[in-house]
Amino acid sequence: ETGVTQSPTHLIKTRGQQVTLRCSSQSGHNTVSWYQQALGQGPQFIFQYYREEENGRGNFPPRFSGLQFPNYSSELNVNALELDDSALYLCASSSITGNYNEQFFGPGTRLTVL
Amino acid sequence: AQSVTQLDSQVPVFEEAPVELRCNYSSSVSVYLFWYVQYPNQGLQLLLKYLSGSTLVKGINGFEAEFNKSQTSFHLRKPSVHISDTAEYFCAVSFNQAGTALIFGKGTTLSVSS
Repeated sequence: ETGVTQSPTHLIKTRGQQVTLRCSSQSGHNTVSWYQQALGQGPQFIFQYYREEENGRGNFPPRFSGLQFPNYSSELNVNALELDDSALYLCASSSITGNYNEQFFGPGTRLTVL
Repeated sequence: AQSVTQLDSQVPVFEEAPVELRCNYSSSVSVYLFWYVQYPNQGLQLLLKYLSGSTLVKGINGFEAEFNKSQTSFHLRKPSVHISDTAEYFCAVSFNQAGTALIFGKGTTLSVSS
């Protein structure tokens, strides 16, 4: 069983640029959530996708957007990058079945904005 | 607003000593509680969860936690730590059993020395 994978592992961008981060879900999972983890902080929920539709969003501006594909992989896009966007971006996949929806996290993509 | 507070940012402890990592949450509704561990340069791994039932929850690697509704706490404990337990620990809450939109605390760094 393949776990959650993310690419790239590291990325350096400059302020104002756009970035796309990718996530492959664990086999059998139909839901993907994205989190931003700033240095020294806990992860913060950005949004979740279920069956290719946004299924909840945290307190992030519209320049943070996402996609989920038919194979349940996902992208996180960030436009007009700001210095404060520098963080570890975590993807988590899960399967909405039954009463509980454990999220399995990938290793993250570390984004540095200069 | 719902929130999670981890009362200690750093906990240094000697090998084979007991440890308690404290977590309090703020919520006016029922919550579901989690502890995650993050090793350097890795994603989050679920240690244990409380959904319902017994307030004492046992997890992986010898960790356990106790849900105390009256004190709105979910402290993590281990009777005897190992060097390999050195990591960042995050307490998280969810307000639905589906586990959508986890809200994390800022984390506690557990440092185990010999």
